[in-house]
Amino acid sequence: AQSVTQPDIHITVSEGASLELRCNYSYGATPYLFWYVQSPGQGLQLLLKYFSGDTLVQGIKGFEAEFKRSQSSFNLRKPSVHWSDAAEYFCAVENQAGTALIFGKGTTLSVSS
Amino acid sequence: ETGVTQSPTHLIKTRGQQVTLRCSSQSGHNTVSWYQQALGQGPQFIFQYYREEENGRGNFPPRFSGLQFPNYSSELNVNALELDDSALYLCASSLPSGGANTGELFFGEGSRLTVL
Repeated sequence: AQSVTQPDIHITVSEGASLELRCNYSYGATPYLFWYVQSPGQGLQLLLKYFSGDTLVQGIKGFEAEFKRSQSSFNLRKPSVHWSDAAEYFCAVENQAGTALIFGKGTTLSVSS
Repeated sequence: ETGVTQSPTHLIKTRGQQVTLRCSSQSGHNTVSWYQQALGQGPQFIFQYYREEENGRGNFPPRFSGLQFPNYSSELNVNALELDDSALYLCASSLPSGGANTGELFFGEGSRLTVL
């Protein structure tokens, strides 16, 4: 069965420091992978997605993610974190039927000054 | 501004009651999906509607039902509410799967349901 694991429940990063959020997936074929962000009181917003091709994908707000098939991973990175990046981050994989996203449990990012 | 609007934003019900949640999709989007997000969890897929027909369903019992209207807006109905139904219910609109837009869901801010 398809699944997504986000091993880190909560991460705290200093403002200006780099960030990496981990995501591992379980999927038999080539996965369609996504990262979404949820700020308090807001809906989810798409940061970036991977379908095929270049394994390093660029997203909005300075985020990028790298697809590594050999490790079944799709980690999210940002070189310099801003206080406004504090939010909940969700990794997701599209199901085989193409009708739904399967989300991980999320990682809460706190940014310290 | 995603363009997806949900109502009501908050509501409180008691066990055994029924609830209807509403969603207006983003302009031009003919596919609507509903997700349940329990506290501290990621969103879980309930079902998807495309052209007024259910187009996929997650692992939710039949007391969770839905509708999509000709203007692509949608309702989620939950009968015989249970305490575990307390959650944030998210509506997302999208274009049909396939092509560059695959998987890009535009979410509303959700309806927070509390069941007492």
